[in-house]
Amino acid sequence: QSALTQPPSASGSPGQSVTISCTGTSSDVGGYNYVSWYQQYPDKAPRLIIYEVNKRPSGVPDRFSGSKSGNTASLTVSGLQAEDEADYHCSSFGGDNRHVVFGGGTKLTVL
Amino acid sequence: QLVESGGGLVQPGGSLRLSCVASGFTFNDYWMAWVRQAPGKGLEWVAKIKPDGSGKFYVDYMEGRFTISRDNAKKSVYLQVDRMRVEDTAVYYCALENFFSMRVWGKGTTVTVS
Repeated sequence: QSALTQPPSASGSPGQSVTISCTGTSSDVGGYNYVSWYQQYPDKAPRLIIYEVNKRPSGVPDRFSGSKSGNTASLTVSGLQAEDEADYHCSSFGGDNRHVVFGGGTKLTVL
Repeated sequence: QLVESGGGLVQPGGSLRLSCVASGFTFNDYWMAWVRQAPGKGLEWVAKIKPDGSGKFYVDYMEGRFTISRDNAKKSVYLQVDRMRVEDTAVYYCALENFFSMRVWGKGTTVTVS
């Protein structure tokens, strides 16, 4: 059982936008601005695409954006492309006792 | 770049030491972490260590079976896993952790407990 809750799947057509949610509590997502998102292709290592809620590392397309409201963080992928089909994982600082907690991951399918 | 090694097949109750060698950045400036992923499951943060090795933190329920260490001279971080269980079967990733975000990841090393 993951600490953060993500939908197991999401989908959208090329060119559309899709939003993936990540729900925690006031002890993690809601309490700190340390939410990250990772993209992972099958049998590959994860790759950081969003950190500190809404910041993008260099090289990450601006089609990827992050936000947070209360205890729920969101990743929005705009202008969906076939290459966006992957698993997406969220994480958050979980406080001194839990450090970093992850969600269970969401499989994004581009129709 | 981060390159892990040391994975393999181990019997329940056995031990394993995973290694990770870093290159391309000033290793002793950064926290380093281990994250694992069981087959078909999500990611799970395991442990992290301060740049100078003076502080180590673990996920609460690891029950003292995991030990993280580093050798800055060798630009390496290690994870010792003892009293291994079937549920420790996973790909173990080494990562550069900065402000609770895994900025750089290795390709992982596979551990099978059976």
